[in-house]
Amino acid sequence: AQSVSQHNHHVILSEAASLELGCNYSYGGTVNLFWYVQYPGQHLQLLLKYFSGDPLVKGIKGFEAEFIKSKFSFNLRKPSVQWSDTAEYFCAVRGSGTYKYIFGTGTRLKVLA
Amino acid sequence: DTAVSQTPKYLVTQMGNDKSIKCEQNLGHDTMYWYKQDSKKFLKIMFSYNNKELIINETVPNRFSPKSPDKAHLNLHINSLELGDSAVYFCASEGEGETQYFGPGTRLLVL
Repeated sequence: AQSVSQHNHHVILSEAASLELGCNYSYGGTVNLFWYVQYPGQHLQLLLKYFSGDPLVKGIKGFEAEFIKSKFSFNLRKPSVQWSDTAEYFCAVRGSGTYKYIFGTGTRLKVLA
Repeated sequence: DTAVSQTPKYLVTQMGNDKSIKCEQNLGHDTMYWYKQDSKKFLKIMFSYNNKELIINETVPNRFSPKSPDKAHLNLHINSLELGDSAVYFCASEGEGETQYFGPGTRLLVL
């Protein structure tokens, strides 16, 4: 079955702490990978994406993610979080050559000032 | 300028009613989507249209009928609303590099 799992549903961190949000997927084929973020009161927006090449991709606001093909994972990281990173983070995959997006259930991150 | 807009933002209605949600994008994209986000924040694709043609229909009950009068609009009509239809419905259009541009969402509550 095609699915995306985000194991951490709620994460609370203090400012300057390091962040890693897990994302694993199950899909029978080549995928493109995405992280989206929804800040309070705002639209869902793209944080970063991976199609091919260097498995370590950098996105906006200091976020990065690493694609590990053998583990079917695409974990999101940030070395030092800020209060403004408080948001909901969604991992997603899309089968290459398809229009179908599959989203994870999201991780709610709260950063304490 | 709002890229993807949805109306209404909130919709409260009785079971059995019929309602519509409208979506418009001014980004010039060819592909648009409807997603349903349930109370557990699970975001699931419902439909996708490419240039007014239906390309994805994810086993959604036929009470849900999308309509795309032109490639800038993708509306969602729901007949005979049920309690389980209560959710947030997101419209999105797809730009370069498969990036989804989401609307603000429509919060539907069926009483």
